[in-house]
Amino acid sequence: GENVEQHPSTLSVQEGDSAVIKCTYSDSASNYFPWYKQELGKGPQLIIDIRSNVGEKKDQRIAVTLNKTAKHFSLHITETQPEDSAVYFCAAADKGGGADGLTFGKGTHLIIQP
Amino acid sequence: NAGVTQTPKFRILKIGQSMTLQCTQDMNHNYMYWYRQDPGMGLKLIYYSVGAGITDKGEVPNGYNVSRSTTEDFPLRLELAAPSQTSVYFCASSQGGDRETQYFGPGTRLLVL
Repeated sequence: GENVEQHPSTLSVQEGDSAVIKCTYSDSASNYFPWYKQELGKGPQLIIDIRSNVGEKKDQRIAVTLNKTAKHFSLHITETQPEDSAVYFCAAADKGGGADGLTFGKGTHLIIQP
Repeated sequence: NAGVTQTPKFRILKIGQSMTLQCTQDMNHNYMYWYRQDPGMGLKLIYYSVGAGITDKGEVPNGYNVSRSTTEDFPLRLELAAPSQTSVYFCASSQGGDRETQYFGPGTRLLVL
């Protein structure tokens, strides 16, 4: 089955700086890569996703890049703000476009220092 | 439109007890999922369903059962609770097909003592 590795486990950045979280996956058949943000006491919420037919996608301060050859994808957050503090999870769908569930990384605790 | 709702929010069980975690979605989604989240870990898939009457095992199904009699509801059953089932349980749903976005409920925190 699919295996997703996520780094770092904790990331502390100054407010206004950029944050980068990286994930690798094992199954070359994976074709859908979402990123979820989880705030304390809440369920994960999708913030951005990318499919295997594109290399980069951007939504305001958030961007995701995908390198299929190397089997890794990254989340980039620019101009970080206090409300960006949360746990971020990457995930991969190894078949059926996620219809049979997602494989998640272990998460990155992002801390924005004022 | 409430999205995905889960009950209860928190429950303490004794070893060997049983309980059902409820999950309901009002988005008319075909696909529903149950995940568990242990501290410092990502979410692991327990069971999923691609439509009413159809369920299938995920990565960690042992000790759990599910049913899907309607599109809206996808309850998760624990028959003989064990300490290893202490976790936070999340239900999610998606439209399916090319629209894979999974929408998660707020979670049920379960403590087995």
